[in-house]
Amino acid sequence: QITLKESGPTLVKPTQTLTLTCTLSGLSFTTNVMGVGWIRQPPGMALEWLAHIYGNDEKNYSPSLKSRLTITKDTSKNQVVLTMTNMDPLDTGTYYCALRKSGGFFDFWGQGTLVTVSS
Amino acid sequence: EIVLTQSPGTLSLSPGERVTLSCRASQSVSSDLAWYQQKPGQAPRLLIYDASNRATGIPARFSGSGSGTDFTLTISSLEPEDFAVYYCQQRSNWPLSFGQGAKLEIK
Repeated sequence: QITLKESGPTLVKPTQTLTLTCTLSGLSFTTNVMGVGWIRQPPGMALEWLAHIYGNDEKNYSPSLKSRLTITKDTSKNQVVLTMTNMDPLDTGTYYCALRKSGGFFDFWGQGTLVTVSS
Repeated sequence: EIVLTQSPGTLSLSPGERVTLSCRASQSVSSDLAWYQQKPGQAPRLLIYDASNRATGIPARFSGSGSGTDFTLTISSLEPEDFAVYYCQQRSNWPLSFGQGAKLEIK
């Protein structure tokens, strides 16, 4: 059974750096066609894609947030980590990690983690 | 960047009715489009991939069609559990993008 679980702080202060971890279970994130993405959703609003990493370490970022984002993977721990710098209250929302098992679409999702940015 | 525009934004319907949701891309995405369903407090769930293929475990009342820039998601007969928000997403070009969502409400 494939599962993804996000972990990280629920509250960060403005200007701080957010670090979120996505832990995958039930498969090894090693094949080149497999990819993991981060998607966020402000309260009551639409989904927004942030970043993506393939098993071969190829990375892609949202152009509007590229300067603030870094995505990495730790194959030994089967984890994908997203860091976002200079957090702002507008970054408040639920952050999801999701898996593209065969390189297609996001067929497995984590439960999401709510991050609030407030002083 | 490819912009996906969904219509209508909100629909009020009754169980048993047929509904068609639209997703229009700002440029061709071939058939590289998916539909997701999201219920309150839950993560999105993949319904349709590659424009017209149902994901594992998705009931046959859900169907997708289209290619290029115009796509539709049809639910042939609404069940109570289908009232949710639906998103389209393209994977044709980076950056990946989602539509703004379409909400199905119970009338």
